[in-house]
Amino acid sequence: EVQLLESGGGLVQPGGSLRLSCAASGFSFSSYAMTWVRQAPGKGLEWVSAISGSGSRAYYADSVKGRFTISRDNSKDTLYLQMNSLRAEDTALYYCGKFIGPTIGAFDIWGQGTMVTVSS
Amino acid sequence: QSALTQPASVSGSPGQSITISCTGTSSDVGGYNFVSWYQQHPGKAPKLMIYDVGNRPSGVSNRFSGSKSGNTASLTISGLQAEDEADYYCSSFSSGDKGVFGTGTKVTVL
Repeated sequence: EVQLLESGGGLVQPGGSLRLSCAASGFSFSSYAMTWVRQAPGKGLEWVSAISGSGSRAYYADSVKGRFTISRDNSKDTLYLQMNSLRAEDTALYYCGKFIGPTIGAFDIWGQGTMVTVSS
Repeated sequence: QSALTQPASVSGSPGQSITISCTGTSSDVGGYNFVSWYQQHPGKAPKLMIYDVGNRPSGVSNRFSGSKSGNTASLTISGLQAEDEADYYCSSFSSGDKGVFGTGTKVTVL
């Protein structure tokens, strides 16, 4: 079964850091680009970041560029999101997603999400 | 990188057809055939319903169809059923190698 399982969320103070993980199973992880998407409480979906299958190319939303870093370890079938200089507006449920193809396009598999709360 | 524009809500009776619009610009919806649609029930992760403008993943009902004209994409749900009541989001590839989602539409089955 194709599955994504996020972890690493929690409560952090403004200005703090957090690293999210997304463990993949059931597919050839290194063959697909991956993404992070977030959803603030009661709000819509917001694309955050994406990374190529090899990990050589990374892409970011303007709202997180310079503060967040996406990476992956294909030997461990795991995706990461390092979040620094966190702000209250980063509070959201963070989903990892698998691209339907090797590069750009839709996200056909989603995890259940991990909650990040930025508050003092 | 502004969100794509969707109507806040659309409603219909069981059996009817409804259409949700998704308006962007030539830098996203109008410039690429990478428009997708997601269904999200309360407390659940989004589910892919349409990709690359008009393609359905396996397992998605053929009552769902997608199209695009210029800078506006559309999702049509025909034969509306109670289980279709959910939030729907469009998404597109955007210039600068970014992704963008729509503002979301709440579908209500009357």
